[in-house]
Amino acid sequence: KAGVTQTPRYLIKTRGQQVTLSCSPISGHRSVSWYQQTPGQGLQFLFEYFSETQRNKGNFPGRFSGRQFSNSRSEMNVSTLELGDSALYLCASSPEGSARGETQYFGPGTRLLVL
Amino acid sequence: GNSVTQMEGPVTLSEEAFLTINCTYTATGYPSLFWYVQYPGEGLQLLLKATKADDKGSNKGFEATYRKETTSFHLEKGSVQVSDSAVYFCALLNNAGNMLTFGGGTRLMVKP
Repeated sequence: KAGVTQTPRYLIKTRGQQVTLSCSPISGHRSVSWYQQTPGQGLQFLFEYFSETQRNKGNFPGRFSGRQFSNSRSEMNVSTLELGDSALYLCASSPEGSARGETQYFGPGTRLLVL
Repeated sequence: GNSVTQMEGPVTLSEEAFLTINCTYTATGYPSLFWYVQYPGEGLQLLLKATKADDKGSNKGFEATYRKETTSFHLEKGSVQVSDSAVYFCALLNNAGNMLTFGGGTRLMVKP
């Protein structure tokens, strides 16, 4: 089975622009979660989607948004980019995202640099 | 809310040394616990997990036991290799099963 894929792998944007990142989960997985990884804040949860619905959201401003499509692929969008948005954005998928001990499988990440 | 605390690194060991990375957590209920590993330039890989008290997760020579009484999930390996050099993250899964809370990560460097 193919793993979680994320595109693009690298992005350079300037302040004020917006960006869209894409994530394709493992085949058959219906839950997709997004995390932000920075040296200062570590790994932080952004949001989780299941069946095209956002079920959980972390403590991030409204500039961060996401969506999920009927094939479980997910996108996240960051508008009005700030320098502090520079990070590695990781996507993870799991079968249902609701079972005890269910493993989340991570993609390689998209590294975003905001100049 | 949930939180995970793990020892700060870097941890530097010689090959074949014994490894312990401490991890403690605060959570409501009985979360599932995980160790993930991140190699340079890559995403996170699941190393092992445990879903209830006294469970022992193990993989590739690494072990961790879910200790409810001490709210801990320490990672151990009897003999580390250079190829184990990476960053290790302890994490807990919320009761809803859809959000991981991570510790700050511990960088392990193994010298030949």
